Amino acid sequence: AQSVTQPDIHITVSEGASLELRCNYSYGATPYLFWYVQSPGQGLQLLLKYFSGDTLVQGIKGFEAEFKRSQSSFNLRKPSVHWSDAAEYFCADSTDSWGKLQFGAGTQVVVTP
Amino acid sequence: AAGVIQSPRHLIKEKRETATLKCYPIPRHDTVYWYQQGPGQDPQFLISFYEKMQSDKGSIPDRFSAQQFSDYHSELNMSSLELGDSALYFCASSLQGLAVPRTGELFFGEGSRLTVL
Repeated sequence: AQSVTQPDIHITVSEGASLELRCNYSYGATPYLFWYVQSPGQGLQLLLKYFSGDTLVQGIKGFEAEFKRSQSSFNLRKPSVHWSDAAEYFCADSTDSWGKLQFGAGTQVVVTP
Repeated sequence: AAGVIQSPRHLIKEKRETATLKCYPIPRHDTVYWYQQGPGQDPQFLISFYEKMQSDKGSIPDRFSAQQFSDYHSELNMSSLELGDSALYFCASSLQGLAVPRTGELFFGEGSRLTVL
């Protein structure tokens, strides 16, 4: 079965610095991949998704992600983080069954002044 | 724009009691999903419904049941509650009809936090 892993449980970044969150997937075919963000006590908001085509995907809030088949990765990036980006970020896939998202363990992002 | 509405937002129950969570999807969305997120855990898929029929099933305990009604709202019924059922329960909706392009995007509600004492 398809699965995604997020190697980093916790990342601390300074405001204005760049951010990269790692996500690795395990599947032979082209996966359906997503990045969601969850602020404390809130629901999950979709940042971006990848199905096929252009491997560099632009999302909301200035985020982008790049699908790299050779590295089985779908890393999320933002050039300059804002304090409001402090949240938990989940990588997910729905390759096995449409809409049935399998989430990674999540990466908690802390933004320092 | 209308979002996914979940009620109640917070619920406190005793062990062995029953709880019912409700979900109102975005208008015209035909698919509803339920997820359970334990403390410090990632969300786990429980069950989904497409056009009022169960479409997929995940790690949902036998003590739980769910259904989607004619107005597309869904209810998750949980009986014989256990301490381990304490979690944030998310509902999500999407438009998955065959006549429309699949976007794959699920729209999540803000969740219902269940605490079992």
